[in-house]
Amino acid sequence: DAKTTQPPSMDCAEGRAANLPCNHSTISGNVYVYWYRQIHSQGPQYIIHGLKNNETNEMASLIITEDRKSSTLILPHATLRDTAVYYCIVKPHYNSGYALNFGKGTSLLVTP
Amino acid sequence: ETGVTQTPRHLVMGMTNKKSLKCEQHLGHNAMYWYKQSAKKPLELMFVYSLEERVENNSVPSRFSPECPNSSHLFLHLHTLQPEDSALYLCASSQERDRGYEQYFGPGTRLTVT
Repeated sequence: DAKTTQPPSMDCAEGRAANLPCNHSTISGNVYVYWYRQIHSQGPQYIIHGLKNNETNEMASLIITEDRKSSTLILPHATLRDTAVYYCIVKPHYNSGYALNFGKGTSLLVTP
Repeated sequence: ETGVTQTPRHLVMGMTNKKSLKCEQHLGHNAMYWYKQSAKKPLELMFVYSLEERVENNSVPSRFSPECPNSSHLFLHLHTLQPEDSALYLCASSQERDRGYEQYFGPGTRLTVT
């Protein structure tokens, strides 16, 4: 299985864009990139996913490099409620079971 | 509100007790999961039910016993637990056709074993 590397922690000022990087240099062609977050003492929340193209939804944007070795989750206008641990997960869609390997993630602190 | 509810939210039990955790999903999904999250550790997948049949079991001790009576309900029966079983137990659901990638989680049950 492809592995991911994320910085353990990041800070962001409220109202600014939060750019969370993820390295997945061993990723293969049929593997999707998923992002979840977990606010303290709550269950994880699905944010977004993508394969090759950049994706955007009401929560965030996902930018995947052309070689697919890394990606960036962008929260365009971070709020205090975005303080959470953010997990980058890579997983193929076939023959890979159901488990999502959450890893340690990036702890994002949004400050006033 | 994710459409997945869990009860109770907090549970304290002795090592000789028997208790059950309940999960209900209102999303029309047909796959449900139990995860365990211990302090300072990543989430660990415990059990997966798809179309009401257990399809994955990650070598969980027999003192944890899951039950999935229908696609909307999932239980985790607990007996003779150990203090190291204290953790946040999370339930999730997804659509089987998506192979579980977009999983929707409940708020969790905080379990303390004394």
